[in-house]
Amino acid sequence: DTGVSQNPRHKITKRGQNVTFRCDPISEHNRLYWYRQTLGQGPEFLTYFQNEAQLEKSRLLSDRFSAERPKGSFSTLEIQRTEQGDSAMYLCASSNRGYYNEQFFGPGTRLTVL
Amino acid sequence: ELKVEQNPLFLSMQEGKNYTIYCNYSTTSDRLYWYRQDPGKSLESLFVLLSNGAVKQEGRLMASLDTKARLSTLHITAAVHDLSATYFCAVDIRRGETSGSRLTFGEGTQLTVNP
Repeated sequence: DTGVSQNPRHKITKRGQNVTFRCDPISEHNRLYWYRQTLGQGPEFLTYFQNEAQLEKSRLLSDRFSAERPKGSFSTLEIQRTEQGDSAMYLCASSNRGYYNEQFFGPGTRLTVL
Repeated sequence: ELKVEQNPLFLSMQEGKNYTIYCNYSTTSDRLYWYRQDPGKSLESLFVLLSNGAVKQEGRLMASLDTKARLSTLHITAAVHDLSATYFCAVDIRRGETSGSRLTFGEGTQLTVNP
């Protein structure tokens, strides 16, 4: 399978714990995005990488959130001191630099904070 | 701030009928995307519309873009049960050479096709 992959698929944690998610983009894609989706809503942009550089962050990304893409390949999204409001589906997408810039989404990581 | 609005938000239709989902957005953009999402699943790309007057068709779905009216439509022809899903439109606002396509999504239209 050459699509976007995300791990873990599900994560249940207690409030106050730290969690980390991983995203592996489509191999030839140099752009990587993180979105968050809550029930009944469309995805909301969190952050964007071009290669290893984080070029844009949403104001939704509080200081408890940090994302990295150290070698321009896979990316991690860490949430520190989780809160119940962080419960959501975290989606990763990737695209190449072509004109269409079509984003392909991974299966998502569903986070539940108890 | 860019706003993307879809209507209707919920659509229940019978097999064999036609219907249109509308997507309005508030800021000039020449890139619009339609995605499909099945319950508990991720988003599947359906159409990429890149210019005014663009029309794309795949099976029973046809999407169009009117950038002057800031409107895109997704038309469903002779609906079948397999089309039941949530459909999202998303608009890209390019912020410069170093910015990627930050997509702003609508709320989604939950489509149910009944036998």
